[in-house]
Amino acid sequence: DAGVTQSPTHLIKTRGQHVTLRCSPISGHKSVSWYQQVLGQGPQFIFQYYEKEERGRGNFPDRFSARQFPNYSSELNVNALLLGDSALYLCASSLGGDSNQPQHFGDGTRLSIL
Amino acid sequence: AQSVSQHNHHVILSEAASLELGCNYSYGGTVNLFWYVQYPGQHLQLLLKYFSGDPLVKGIKGFEAEFIKSKFSFNLRKPSVQWSDTAEYFCAVISPGTYKYIFGTGTRLKVLA
Repeated sequence: DAGVTQSPTHLIKTRGQHVTLRCSPISGHKSVSWYQQVLGQGPQFIFQYYEKEERGRGNFPDRFSARQFPNYSSELNVNALLLGDSALYLCASSLGGDSNQPQHFGDGTRLSIL
Repeated sequence: AQSVSQHNHHVILSEAASLELGCNYSYGGTVNLFWYVQYPGQHLQLLLKYFSGDPLVKGIKGFEAEFIKSKFSFNLRKPSVQWSDTAEYFCAVISPGTYKYIFGTGTRLKVLA
């Protein structure tokens, strides 16, 4: 079975631009979470979506938004990019929205802001 | 706010040495606990998890972890490490119903052959 797939793998943007990152969960998984991982840190929770509804949101500004589609894939959007948004963005899927569901991670999208 | 501390940022061991990586969390209520591992060039994957019951849980590849509620700790152990255990290890905590995983900063383990 295919794992969690994320696209693109790498992206270079300049300050002020907008970016859209995409994630396809493992087949059958209905929950998708997004994380930001800055070099030297652990993943920081941004959003969780389950059945197309936002279930949780981390401490990120409103420039960050996401949505989940009927096929359970998801997009993370970041507006007005700042240098500090440079990071690895991870998507994780799980079967359901319960907190006892382990997360299955993708390889991430590395975003560089110039 | 909840937080997870992993005090050992870098650990270097020789093969066959014993391993213990510390994880402490700050939250007084019920938590679900996880250890994830990221091997070089690979994505994060689940090593083991604890929800309830026996506080000593066994995971893949000979790893185990012990939940000590009174110490808010969930330390990862392995009796004898191998070169292939070289990886970064992350502890994670989630409070049931919050949908928000909190990860520690990770511990980079290097095992010398």
